[in-house]
Amino acid sequence: QVQLQESGPGLVKPSETLSLTCTVSGGSINSYYWFWIRQPAGKGLEWIGRIYSSGSTHYSPSLNSRVTMSIDTSKKQFSLKLTSVTAADTAVYYCARGRGTHWLDNWGQGTLVTVSS
Amino acid sequence: EIVLTQSPGTLSLSPGERATLSCRASQTLSSSSLAWYQQRPGQAPRLVMYGASSRAADIPDRFSGSESGTDFTLSISRLEPEDFAVYYCQQYGSSPYTFGQGTKLEIK
Repeated sequence: QVQLQESGPGLVKPSETLSLTCTVSGGSINSYYWFWIRQPAGKGLEWIGRIYSSGSTHYSPSLNSRVTMSIDTSKKQFSLKLTSVTAADTAVYYCARGRGTHWLDNWGQGTLVTVSS
Repeated sequence: EIVLTQSPGTLSLSPGERATLSCRASQTLSSSSLAWYQQRPGQAPRLVMYGASSRAADIPDRFSGSESGTDFTLSISRLEPEDFAVYYCQQYGSSPYTFGQGTKLEIK
């Protein structure tokens, strides 16, 4: 069973860059799409974007100007960078694996990122 | 962007009863591209249904999904205590992928 684990700073200052990494274990990172989703406290889920194992990306239009995703297949890791963060970016960030035409069949446990000075 | 509207916002039922959760899409979804996720408090979402009516691995057969045009339904027969959670629908037929706002299934 594939497992995903998010890691990164839990506190980021306003205007700085949020950086998270998702490590894949128990399965291959190759030939899959990998996703980032976030959830503000008490609210619903927001799709941030996806990256294929080849490195091709697709981002949500609402975050496109601030988001960069990358992948390192040798380390079985993929990453998220979100620039110029504000308090509105405070959320639990999840990484997930896409299957088929992209339902999400495996999720990380999530990591809380708080934007505050 | 496709908007998904879930109803009701909260559903209060007792164990053993049947639950019916709805998700309406603002546009036709290609190829039944709708999934349902269950999220228990403090946990990550868990895939329940994909392709509108295909159960995910390890999901009991009391869960079923259906579609009629732009209306999608997740049904849970004979509710068990572990079924009480928040359920989200998600469309993956058109980018950006979007989620509904969720239905909270609570114990009455």
